[in-house]
Amino acid sequence: NAGVMQNPRHLVRRRGQEARLRCSPMKGHSHVYWYRQLPEEGLKFMVYLQKENIIDESGMPKERFSAEFPKEGPSILRIQQVVRGDSAAYFCASSQFGSGPSADTQYFGPGTRLTVL
Amino acid sequence: SQQGEEDPQALSIQEGENATMNCSYKTSINNLQWYRQNSGRGLVHLILIRSNEREKHSGRLRVTLDTSKKSSSLLITASRAADTASYFCATDSGNTPLVFGKGTRLSVIA
Repeated sequence: NAGVMQNPRHLVRRRGQEARLRCSPMKGHSHVYWYRQLPEEGLKFMVYLQKENIIDESGMPKERFSAEFPKEGPSILRIQQVVRGDSAAYFCASSQFGSGPSADTQYFGPGTRLTVL
Repeated sequence: SQQGEEDPQALSIQEGENATMNCSYKTSINNLQWYRQNSGRGLVHLILIRSNEREKHSGRLRVTLDTSKKSSSLLITASRAADTASYFCATDSGNTPLVFGKGTRLSVIA
C-alpha cells in the first residue's frame, strides 16, 4: 500500500518561472492538505482540498499560488512567477476523512524541495 | 499565530536515556498530535491524543496532555540513535487546520 507520493522531490526554478508540485494521496484518501516548511521552522498550513473542491485556503498567499485536486489525477500546487522567498519544502498530506471532532490522522509525503535561483 | 510551541528547541542525550519534550498551546483544542521528522524527510505520525484524554502510550512513547495548563509532553524512553530527529506537536480546534510548532531537535548520541 503506497503512501503519499510527491513529485518532483527537488525542483529548481529561476525567478519568474512557474513551479508545479504534485501530490498523490494514499489509496482511499479523498482529503489533501498542503503545507510549507522553511528551514528550522515547523510546517505552515496552506490549503485543504477534497476532490474538486477547495475547503480551506486560509493559509495560501492571495497571489501567485493556486491549488487543485481534480476528480482524476494528483493534487497540484502551482506557484506562478516564483520569487526567492518561495524557496522551501512543500509537504502534502492526506487523510481518509477531514479534520473535525473525530480528527483523522494525516499521512505526509516526502516533500518537494523548491529552490528558486 | 503559532499555536504550538515546543520546548526545548534542541536536546542532546546519550543512548539509553529518556528524552522529554514539551509543547504549549494558546487556545482550546480538540486534539493534539506528535510527529517526527528525520532530516530531509516528511513527517511521520506518532500519537494523537484527544482533549478528553490525559495520557497515551505507544511502545517507548508516552504522551500526556494537561488541558488546564494547555500543555503536552512527549517522553521517549530508552532512547536510541535512530530516535535522532525533529519532533513537532500539532493541534486542531474542531474544523480547523493543523497548527504546528517549530519543533524540538533531538540528538541521541551512541
